[in-house]
Amino acid sequence: KQEVTQIPAALSVPEGENLVLNCSFTDSAIYNLQWFRQDPGKGLTSLLLIQSSQREQTSGRLNASLDKSSGRSTLYIAASQPGDSATYLCASGAQKLVFGQGTRLTINP
Amino acid sequence: DVKVTQSSRYLVKRTGEKVFLECVQDMDHENMFWYRQDPGLGLRLIYFSYDVKMKEKGDIPEGYSVSREKKERFSLILESASTNQTSMYLCASVAGGHLGYEQYFGPGTRLTVT
Repeated sequence: KQEVTQIPAALSVPEGENLVLNCSFTDSAIYNLQWFRQDPGKGLTSLLLIQSSQREQTSGRLNASLDKSSGRSTLYIAASQPGDSATYLCASGAQKLVFGQGTRLTINP
Repeated sequence: DVKVTQSSRYLVKRTGEKVFLECVQDMDHENMFWYRQDPGLGLRLIYFSYDVKMKEKGDIPEGYSVSREKKERFSLILESASTNQTSMYLCASVAGGHLGYEQYFGPGTRLTVT
């Protein structure tokens, strides 16, 4: 059974820094890897989807990579801003997603 | 843009009441899901549906049922609400085909059962 882990649970960095969020999974035969953002009390917003055959996806200041052999995905955020403060979740699967617990990110002005 | 809407942002119900949570998507997606999210437990799948009138149990279906009479609408039903069903409920809709199964979520319904 696929298990998805995100460490650390919380991260605080100063504004302007580049940062990396980590996601690890146990079953390398994954279908897709999706990154989401969640603001307090709100639903999930899809950020990036990496299909199984892909290595990375980029959207603006965000870049997500997928390394199936090591069971890892990373979300790189460039030039962080206070508005990036949120919880970031990764999830693995085709239809039924298995979610990590999330990393709560705080960007300090 | 894909839009997934949920009928209520906040709901307060009493123990034993029958509760309906509604979810509507506007992109003709075949696949819809209901999750609940709790601190320390993350997101857990309750039920999902691959087509109209089709449903399958997720990881925690006990105490819940679902209805999918129309493609765009997926309802979650709490037959007799209990305090341990106090939670954030999230509906999702899945785009298939060339979009590669990217899931889109609604804004969530915060349900409190007293």
